[in-house]
Amino acid sequence: SQTIHQWPATLVQPVGSPLSLECTVEGTSNPNLYWYRQAAGRGLQLLFYSVGIGQISSEVPQNLSASRPQDRQFILSSKKLLLSDSGFYLCAWSPWVQAGGVSTDTQYFGPGTRLTVL
Amino acid sequence: EDQVTQSPEALRLQEGESSSLNCSYTVSGLRGLFWYRQDPGKGPEFLFTLYSAGEEKEKERLKATLTKKESFLHITAPKPEDSATYLCAVPAFNQAGTALIFGKGTTLSVSS
Repeated sequence: SQTIHQWPATLVQPVGSPLSLECTVEGTSNPNLYWYRQAAGRGLQLLFYSVGIGQISSEVPQNLSASRPQDRQFILSSKKLLLSDSGFYLCAWSPWVQAGGVSTDTQYFGPGTRLTVL
Repeated sequence: EDQVTQSPEALRLQEGESSSLNCSYTVSGLRGLFWYRQDPGKGPEFLFTLYSAGEEKEKERLKATLTKKESFLHITAPKPEDSATYLCAVPAFNQAGTALIFGKGTTLSVSS
C-alpha cells in the first residue's frame, strides 16, 4: 500500500529565515506530487505540482519554491520567510497515468506541516 | 472561472439527527467530484469520487450524490465521531497536469 510522509510536523520560524519542508511517498512509482497551503478561513490553495523528476509547475507567484530531486521526494523551500507564509502545508500524490490512459485525478494527502512564522 | 462553494459553513447536529451538506460547482467539463474528510490538525482523508450525474456512493453513515450542478453528502444518524470538516473538490485542467479546486468546507459537529 502507498503511504505519504511529511516532516517536520510543526515548525516555528522567524521572519526572514529559510524554510525546507520534505514530503516522501512510498509504495508507488512516478506519482504526480502536489504542495498545497491551507490558511485559516480559506480553502486549500495549490502551490506547486510535479509530474516527474525536475519538473515543477507553480500555480501562485510567491517567495516559495519547490524541487523534486528524486521520483518520490518533493521539497518546499523558501530563502526568506514572510509572516504571510504561516499556514498548514499539505503534500499530496496522485497515481501516474500512462499516456492515453484515464486519470482518476484522486489525490491522497499527507499529515501536513503546521508552519508558524513570527 | 472554475469555482466550488460549500454550504453551510458550519453545522451542529445531535447524535442521530440526519442532515445533508451541499457542494455546488461551476466548471467547464466535469471530470469528477471528490469528497474528503479532514480532522483538526490532519491532512484530508479521501472519501468518494463521483463521475456522472445520478451517481451515488455510500460509506457507513455517509452517502454522496451528484447532479449536473451540485453534490450532496448525506449523513444518516450521525455519531460524535463523524465530527470533522468535509471538503469537496473538482479537478481543473492546467498546462501540465491537473489541480483540485477545493471548497472552503463544512465543519460538522455532532453532540451526544
